[in-house]
Amino acid sequence: QIQLVQSGPELKKPGESVKISCKASGYTFTDYAMHWVKQAPGKGLKWMGWINTYTGKPTYADDFKGRFVFSLEASASTANLQISNLKNEDTATYFCARRQLQNYFDYWGQGVMVTVSS
Amino acid sequence: DIMLTQSPATLSVTPGESISLSCRASQSISTNLHWYQQKPNESPRVLIKYASQTISGIPSRFSGSGSGTDFTLNINRVEPEDFSVYYCQQSNSWPRTFGSGTKLEIK
Repeated sequence: QIQLVQSGPELKKPGESVKISCKASGYTFTDYAMHWVKQAPGKGLKWMGWINTYTGKPTYADDFKGRFVFSLEASASTANLQISNLKNEDTATYFCARRQLQNYFDYWGQGVMVTVSS
Repeated sequence: DIMLTQSPATLSVTPGESISLSCRASQSISTNLHWYQQKPNESPRVLIKYASQTISGIPSRFSGSGSGTDFTLNINRVEPEDFSVYYCQQSNSWPRTFGSGTKLEIK
């Protein structure tokens, strides 16, 4: 069965970096784009961008340009999100989501809670 | 960017009632609109694609309608497990955007 399994929760200090992973299984990884979505505590969903899992090309929403990097370990069917110079406002749950060929998100990871606190 | 406005923000209902949730786009998005349900501490799951198309495995009490700028998610006879937050999302243009959500709560 298709699964997206994300790494575990993270507790970081402001200014540090974090890298979270999203391991896909049950399908051909390079056939479907991977998107990233942020959800701050008690808030709604915010689209961060996506990565072409065939070419590795990332695309970022405006609010996520600069400190955010999407990458792949295609041989391991894994997509990664790295956030540098963490700020308190980065405290959130980050989801990876597979984009169906029909442009909606059909499978989601379980989410990774990143807490930034001094 | 296309803004999606969902209303109401919160809807209090009794199980067994039938309800409609609204999602309005700031410009026409044809039928490029999808609905998701998110239960507490869970990931979202897709309910309806392209405004009105069904998703395999989703109960038939969920249906969608609309095109252009006005969209509706209908739940026919709300079940206890339906109390959660509902989001709309557009795939008409970049950046992809979500509505702010409607929380369905028990009256």
